[in-house]
Amino acid sequence: NAGVMQNPRHLVRRRGQEARLRCSPMKGHSHVYWYRQLPEEGLKFMVYLQKENIIDESGMPKERFSAEFPKEGPSILRIQQVVRGDSAAYFCASSPEQGNSPLHFGNGTRLTVT
Amino acid sequence: ILNVEQSPQSLHVQEGDSTNFTCSFPSSNFYALHWYRWETAKSPEALFVMTLNGDEKKKGRISATLNTKEGYSYLYIKGSQPEDSATYLCAFSNDYKLSFGAGTTVTVRA
Repeated sequence: NAGVMQNPRHLVRRRGQEARLRCSPMKGHSHVYWYRQLPEEGLKFMVYLQKENIIDESGMPKERFSAEFPKEGPSILRIQQVVRGDSAAYFCASSPEQGNSPLHFGNGTRLTVT
Repeated sequence: ILNVEQSPQSLHVQEGDSTNFTCSFPSSNFYALHWYRWETAKSPEALFVMTLNGDEKKKGRISATLNTKEGYSYLYIKGSQPEDSATYLCAFSNDYKLSFGAGTTVTVRA
């Protein structure tokens, strides 16, 4: 029973390029969350999605960042025109339902912007 | 922004000793309190989800208590072992959104 799969594990982009981070939730999970961990900081909420719907994107920067969770395929976190400050570890988590279910995390994608 | 504070930031424990550390969170609009264990090079793994004031949960040598009225939770590790070395995160939930603390990093010395 595969857990939450994130890829790539490491991603290097030059300033101005686009970064695409993928997350496949656990089988049977329809709720996906993206968190960002900046150096020396904790996990910060970015966005919460259900299939084909963005429920809450209050933690995402207004510009350059977008997320989707299509009917088929993984959830995608997209960062356009990356800047050095976007360098961080991005974690995806999934749960079977909203509410008190624990989150199941992926291993994260470490983005480095050069 | 919901302030979730964990204390101490790090601690060192001798193998066999017991230890505990705290998580404080807003006492209003409480929905649930989560604890996660995060080992280096792995992903955070859920330990407990606690919802009721006075809840106590236990998993092996690790246990947790919850006080929603005053807004704190304790995590206890009894008879620490080297494999308990990890960062322990707590997260406050006011429905679906988890606000995480910065974690307490525990290092158990053999």
